[in-house]
Amino acid sequence: KNQVEQSPQSLIILEGKNCTLQCNYTVSPFSNLRWYKQDTGRGPVSLTIMTFSENTKSNGRYTATLDADTKQSSLHITASQLSDSASYICVVIPLHFTSGTYKYIFGTGTRLKVLA
Amino acid sequence: DAGVIQSPRHEVTEMGQEVTLRCKPISGHDYLFWYRQTMMRGLELLIYFNNNVPIDDSGMPEDRFSAKMPNASFSTLKIQPSEPRDSAVYFCASSIIEGTGELFFGEGSRLTVL
Repeated sequence: KNQVEQSPQSLIILEGKNCTLQCNYTVSPFSNLRWYKQDTGRGPVSLTIMTFSENTKSNGRYTATLDADTKQSSLHITASQLSDSASYICVVIPLHFTSGTYKYIFGTGTRLKVLA
Repeated sequence: DAGVIQSPRHEVTEMGQEVTLRCKPISGHDYLFWYRQTMMRGLELLIYFNNNVPIDDSGMPEDRFSAKMPNASFSTLKIQPSEPRDSAVYFCASSIIEGTGELFFGEGSRLTVL
């Protein structure tokens, strides 16, 4: 069964510190893997996208890594800011185009709280 | 572009009432998705459309849920009759299959059924 699991479920850090969020998936084969940021009361917004052949992708202070062999991805946040407080969702898009399906597989997210 | 627009942002209703959620996708996007988000289950796909045609509605919980897309710029998700367990945030998202296939989400409609 295709699954995406994220850890930790929640995390509290102090402003200025770094943190790493984990994503393990069983989806195979897959087209690409994305990380979304969801602020409280808002819709998810894409942070990074990686194809199965990419190892790392950066977007400012956010760096995503992908290890296709171990089926793991991580999102590293550098020098955290208060505005980083949000849920971070890992999403895997299966390579299902030949079957006509188009179902993203979502993790349940990690809730990050950055304290001053 | 204004992005995906959903209405209402908040809806409080009593059990048994009909609820209609609305969505305007980004112009030019030919895929539209309805998701439901709860704390326990995260984001769940309910149904998606391609060029206004429903492609997969296997995520719709039961017959009380229905969705339509009468044209490329408008879609509705209807719950009739509503139940307390339907309380959740409902998101609409749109996408273009070519390229990155990135999903663009609306701000969501928070539904509370009393």
